[in-house]
Amino acid sequence: AQSVTQLGSHVSVSEGALVLLRCNYSSSVPPYLFWYVQYPNQGLQLLLKYTTGATLVKGINGFEAEFKKSETSFHLTKPSAHMSDAAEYFCAVSGAGANSKLTFGKGITLSVRP
Amino acid sequence: DAGITQSPRHKVTETGTPVTLRCHQTENHRYMYWYRQDPGHGLRLIHYSYGVKDTDKGEVSDGYSVSRSKTEDFLLTLESATSSQTSVYFCAISDPILAESTDTQYFGPGTRLTVL
Repeated sequence: AQSVTQLGSHVSVSEGALVLLRCNYSSSVPPYLFWYVQYPNQGLQLLLKYTTGATLVKGINGFEAEFKKSETSFHLTKPSAHMSDAAEYFCAVSGAGANSKLTFGKGITLSVRP
Repeated sequence: DAGITQSPRHKVTETGTPVTLRCHQTENHRYMYWYRQDPGHGLRLIHYSYGVKDTDKGEVSDGYSVSRSKTEDFLLTLESATSSQTSVYFCAISDPILAESTDTQYFGPGTRLTVL
């Protein structure tokens, strides 16, 4: 069994400020972890993922996330927010293997203030 | 972007009518998925397919059926639409063998369905 918790539904930051979106997971097997971004009226786009190896993962648009097994966390960060980062962000977990399903968190909406 | 299209992109229908949504891919990926997205629920898996004519149920499959007669097409059917099926529906594809990125799912643009 697996699950994802994204606390809160909305985060607001000022342009240029640090972005921190939290994700905690539960998994009975070694997890694969993903962050997706969804811009208004669009599909989901992969930001970054962790499968194995280096625990600090860099993604597109300056985002990165760190897998912390001891904390069962995979928080998403960006040093300096840009207006174009305003979107909904989803954390997701799966196991390894072709038939493993992807389980999503409920999503967090990021607003960026000028 | 992965070559995934969904049709129609928007549909309004009435309760009790049948509805079919289509997902078409040009990537030759083996796995295809249907999700629904609702506020406060994230994305939930409806059905998925792991090959032509091979399908299985997901978390919220009641009221939905699927078919896959060709690698490139995955159809989602609501036999008798209900208001609770008003949602945004997303198709996704993956292929742990073809793709370098094992287990990564790529998403289509979505279909917004309203059942009145």
